[in-house]
Parts: sequence; C-alpha cells; structure tokens
Amino acid sequence: GAVVSQHPSWVICKSGTSVKIECRSLDFQATTMFWYRQFPKQSLMLMATSNEGSKATYEQGVEKDKFLINHASLTLSTLTVTSAHPEDSSFYICSAPTGGYGYTFGSGTRLTVV
Amino acid sequence: AQSVAQPEDQVNVAEGNPLTVKCTYSVSGNPYLFWYVQYPNRGLQFLLKYITGDNLVKGSYGFEAEFNKSQTSFHLKKPSALVSDSALYFCAVRDQAGTALIFGKGTTLSVSS
Repeated sequence: GAVVSQHPSWVICKSGTSVKIECRSLDFQATTMFWYRQFPKQSLMLMATSNEGSKATYEQGVEKDKFLINHASLTLSTLTVTSAHPEDSSFYICSAPTGGYGYTFGSGTRLTVV
Repeated sequence: AQSVAQPEDQVNVAEGNPLTVKCTYSVSGNPYLFWYVQYPNRGLQFLLKYITGDNLVKGSYGFEAEFNKSQTSFHLKKPSALVSDSALYFCAVRDQAGTALIFGKGTTLSVSS
C-alpha cells in the first residue's frame, strides 16, 4: 500500500536553530501533503496543506514565516521550523491522500527544543 | 464548517468485555468518516472508514463502527476488548475528496486484565 516515510523520527535542537522535517511518498505520487501538529495527549491540529509546485495554504493562526513548507516534487514535502523555541516542541505528522478516499500518515517527528 | 466530537476523554473496560468509543460529527455535505488508533510517539494506524453503502463498517483488528445519519454518529465498537487495544483513538471526518481530515480530540482506551 501507499507509504509515507517521515524523517527524522525525533530531533532535539537548540533554541534559535532551524529544523527540517521530510515526508516522502515511497510508492505513489503525493500531489498534496497535509501537515499536522499534536500536543501530548491531544488531537491533531491541521497546520497547512502543501501542493506540489505551489505555495502552501496555512490554517488560521499558523505562522507562515516560522513553519516553512515546501513541496518541490511529487514525492517530497518538507516542513522547516525556523528559529525554533521551546514552545515549538511538539509531535509533527504529515499525511497524504491516497486512492479510495483514504489517507496515509507518516510515522511522526518528535521535536524537542531546548 | 466540519467538526468532530469525541465526548469521552477516557474509556475503561475489562478485557473480554465489549467496548464502545463514541463519535459525533457535523458536516455540510455527505460525511466521509474515519477511525484511527495511535500508540505512544507513533503515527496513526487506520482502522476503518465509512464512505457510502452499509451503515455497519468492519475494520482492522476486529473493530467495527456504525454510521447513524439521524444521530450524526459513528461510534467505534469491538465485541471483546484486548489489553493490547489500549491506545488513543481518533475519529475524523471530511466532506470533500482530497481535503484534510478534521480530527476529534481523541479518546484514551484503557483495557484492564
């Protein structure tokens, strides 16, 4: 079945640095990728939708300049957390629609900013 | 706007007993409904979905859910719970093809032995 590979699984970075998270569709073309953020024991909140070759669409309240999303090819979408701060620590998950009205999810990235 | 409600933060059941995790939804068009399970620090695992057709949907690991249009509900059920079913369960909805899923807040299922 359709698989989205998400890397890294976890990352610790210093405050003020940037972190890039990658999501690759391994056996299908992902023209769209959804990016979610999840706080501990809470729901997944949609951050943005990226479409290959065009600018991402951000949800209300999400800082575009802090969470840079790039979807340069049909198999790769990236989320860069710029100038990370402790409040950006969270679990980030990507998701792509697949055939049959389904979705496939990446395994998630645990970001800790110290 | 679409929304999903999971009224219970936690559901506790004994192993071998039936379990129900509740979900209600609100969409403007036809609902596409999903259930996912999440284990700690892991991504989401798909359990089942309702798109159209039979109101009773059977999914992975013995789970099933019943779509009730009049009550706008899509409760997740399993006849006999296992300790290994203990996890965080999410109900999700969308009303258009290709759009992002909107998730409920999640329900923690705890199955005791």
